[in-house]
Amino acid sequence: EIVLTQSPATLSLSPGERATLSCGASQSVSASYLAWYQQKPGLAPRLLIYDAASRATGIPDRFSGSGSGTDFILTISRLEPEDFAVYYCQQYGSSPQTFGQGTKLEIK
Amino acid sequence: EVQLVESGGGLVQPGGSLRLSCAASGFTFSTYSMNWVRQAPGKGLEWVSYISSSSSTIYYADSVKGRFTISRDNAKNSLYLQMNSLRAEDTAVYYCAVALMVPGANDYWGQGTLVTVSS
Repeated sequence: EIVLTQSPATLSLSPGERATLSCGASQSVSASYLAWYQQKPGLAPRLLIYDAASRATGIPDRFSGSGSGTDFILTISRLEPEDFAVYYCQQYGSSPQTFGQGTKLEIK
Repeated sequence: EVQLVESGGGLVQPGGSLRLSCAASGFTFSTYSMNWVRQAPGKGLEWVSYISSSSSTIYYADSVKGRFTISRDNAKNSLYLQMNSLRAEDTAVYYCAVALMVPGANDYWGQGTLVTVSS
């Protein structure tokens, strides 16, 4: 099973700043089959990025994903107030699919 | 509009059973694989089970193997999760999810149904 480790656990930033979230895999993620999700309290996760770097439908272009192999990054170029939430990475290249433990992005 | 609506959650005693349902609409249910994902209170996401479109391929997380059974009825556009021998650590919100655009990347999720295992 591929273990995903997200860092930092909590990120404190202000609106307008740039956010960089990391996701490290215990072994190479096949074909960059890595996704990022955003989750707000009481709601289901929302797909942001798939295949490491492709934005899902309707996702603003301030969200971008990069990386390959074992190291992946989610970047939010200029934080909007609605971006403060918990973010999860997920790999779906190997069975079982696995999720990272999450990064909480909070307002500084 | 794609919709996934879970039901069947509730309070159950340790060792008890519960059957969750997920009603799907807005897409051709019979052609897509489906997943159950859960989230314990205040914790992260945990994949639980996968079923292919024809039910020919099924996977379970080690934590539920032998206790949970996933199934689907394509004629009724419905997904199920039969949960037996429930434990306190199974307490969570259970989501059904589907990847319509890219296999594996779940782009549609239900609202979730809460399962509480407690005496």
